[in-house]
Amino acid sequence: NAGVTQTPKFQVLKTGQSMTLQCAQDMNHNSMYWYRQDPGMGLRLIYYSASEGTTDKGEVPNGYNVSRLNKREFSLRLESAAPSQTSVYFCASSEPYATGRTGELFFGEGSRLTVL
Amino acid sequence: AQTVTQSQPEMSVQEAETVTLSCTYDTSESDYYLFWYKQPPSRQMILVIRQEAYKQQNATENRFSVNFQKAAKSFSLKISDSQLGDAAMYFCAYRSATGQGAQKLVFGQGTRLTINP
Repeated sequence: NAGVTQTPKFQVLKTGQSMTLQCAQDMNHNSMYWYRQDPGMGLRLIYYSASEGTTDKGEVPNGYNVSRLNKREFSLRLESAAPSQTSVYFCASSEPYATGRTGELFFGEGSRLTVL
Repeated sequence: AQTVTQSQPEMSVQEAETVTLSCTYDTSESDYYLFWYKQPPSRQMILVIRQEAYKQQNATENRFSVNFQKAAKSFSLKISDSQLGDAAMYFCAYRSATGQGAQKLVFGQGTRLTINP
């Protein structure tokens, strides 16, 4: 029962390098999310995709791009990494809210990214 | 925009004792959902408990219960008979029930809970 799988788990980049974080879920969820976690700031939403074919900005989208490749996969790309993007990144998925469903998020294990 | 505030960055409790973690939120909506997530050192985010705003009864899951005060916009988590495995970061989260806000969770800053043996 894999749930939400994200790769890589750890990555070290130099300033200006690019990379893509991959995320896949096997729960047939419509909605997928990318959050970043920084000390003292909780989890902040970067981008989300309410359904296949749509993406929307969250609270902190600058410096990131996303692709909803299909219903299962949602990737996060850093085009030119900056030290301020050093963080732990979480992918999550959920069913959309509906009567009888609270729409809680199911999370991947997180990816620790360090930008030097 | 909705905001969630956890005013206690750190808490500690003796094993087997009871501890309460605080959470307040700001919203103009009447229908929404509230959650507590636990993040142990493994970094995995685990749902602890959820509360529907339209329900007056406080949610309970084994040793975990909430005190939901809708008028005060307060949603505290009580952990009874604390165990060493409860040591973790705890996050409070809010989700709208309708509109675009229903698509995402808004998290508080987190409270780090330490259990003293």
